[in-house]
Parts: sequence; C-alpha cells; structure tokens
Amino acid sequence: DTAVSQTPKYLVTQMGNDKSIKCEQNLGHDTMYWYKQDSKKFLKIMFSYNNKELIINETVPNRFSPKSPDKAHLNLHINSLELGDSAVYFCASSRVSAGSYEQYFGPGTRLTVT
Amino acid sequence: GESVGLHLPTLSVQEGDNSIINCAYSNSASDYFIWYKQESGKGPQFIIDIRSNMDKRQGQRVTVLLNKTVKHLSLQIAATQPGDSAVYFCAEKGDTGFQKLVFGTGTRLLVSP
Repeated sequence: DTAVSQTPKYLVTQMGNDKSIKCEQNLGHDTMYWYKQDSKKFLKIMFSYNNKELIINETVPNRFSPKSPDKAHLNLHINSLELGDSAVYFCASSRVSAGSYEQYFGPGTRLTVT
Repeated sequence: GESVGLHLPTLSVQEGDNSIINCAYSNSASDYFIWYKQESGKGPQFIIDIRSNMDKRQGQRVTVLLNKTVKHLSLQIAATQPGDSAVYFCAEKGDTGFQKLVFGTGTRLLVSP
C-alpha cells in the first residue's frame, strides 16, 4: 500500500544517454512534483503538475521534460545526460485540505551519470 | 527572493535530551511552514506544520515555534531518541507559486545513546 512510488530506485548511466524515471501515487492527490536533491542534501523543486497541467517550472534545462499522463502519474524524462545531473530525484504529491500543504514524498531515485 | 536557511548544519545530542533545530526564513509574506525528517536512503517525511497566524503548535514529542518578528522557526524534540537521528528540513510556502514549498538547507541531528 505504498503511497508514492518511484522506479527505478537506482539508475546508473553514461553521459549523453536518455533516461526516464516514473512516479505513481495512490493517494488521490491532484498535484505532483519533481524535486532534485544534490550531494549536500539541498532539496529544490523542479516541476509541479496539477490535474495534468504544468503549474511550476523552475529554471531547469530543457533536457528535462516531465509528463503527466493522468493525475496519479508524473514521469521525468532526461535527454543527453550530463555529469551534473547526478543526484537523488524525489517525486511528491499533495492535495490542499484544511489549509495543509503537506507533500508526500516517494523513496527517491538515485541517478549516477558516469 | 525567497530563502530559508538553518543556523546549525549538525546537531549532536545525548539520548533523552531535548533537541532544538532552528531555521531562518526571509520571505515575510510566507503563510505556511512545515518540518520534514529525512532518514538515510529515504524520502522526506512530514513531522509538523504551522500556519503564519499561529506562533506555536505541538505534536507528539515535537513542538514548532514561529517568530514572525524575526522570521525564525524552530523545531523542538523532547526526550530525543536514537531513532530521531536524521536530517531535518524546514520549508515555507511563499506568496508565489501554487503549493510551492521552498526548503532550507537541512540540519543533521545525531543522537548518541
């Protein structure tokens, strides 16, 4: 009964490759996010979708392209991977209720680019 | 711009002590704050939140204090246990962006038996 799940958990690939990370939530939330956490643990939002519509798009290279086929899924595709893309990527979801903006995080995908 | 920072990158305490983790924020228009706990190899996990119209909120063994005058947030953990060892993040919801949280840099809490 995992709330927010991501696949794969680990991803090792070479520079220049294209890869995708998948995220699914079974909480019935209407908003989903992608975050990047660097080696210093700094957590920064990349994208957010609300009801399949892109609502937050931070300053992210256009090699990163999110896709939300439905409210329960948010995938992240990365083209032409670079060394600096190595990080842990977290998916999260939320639904505003009674003034709470709590986001539920997945377990993360550790991407290593060699 | 928005920024949320922490005063102490690492806090070491003895089991049973009370822990206080501090956070400074810069956006006076932020109306919501939240604390997360991240254990090694896991995603951040919600601890407690507080709206800007409150100055204190208590949970189970945790208390969050909000001082809007000096733009300061703190998380107090009572009777700290080894299982509390983790990285703790504060985050704020600013006045721009839909449900956008801006995270601080994190504080590592180390609890020794």
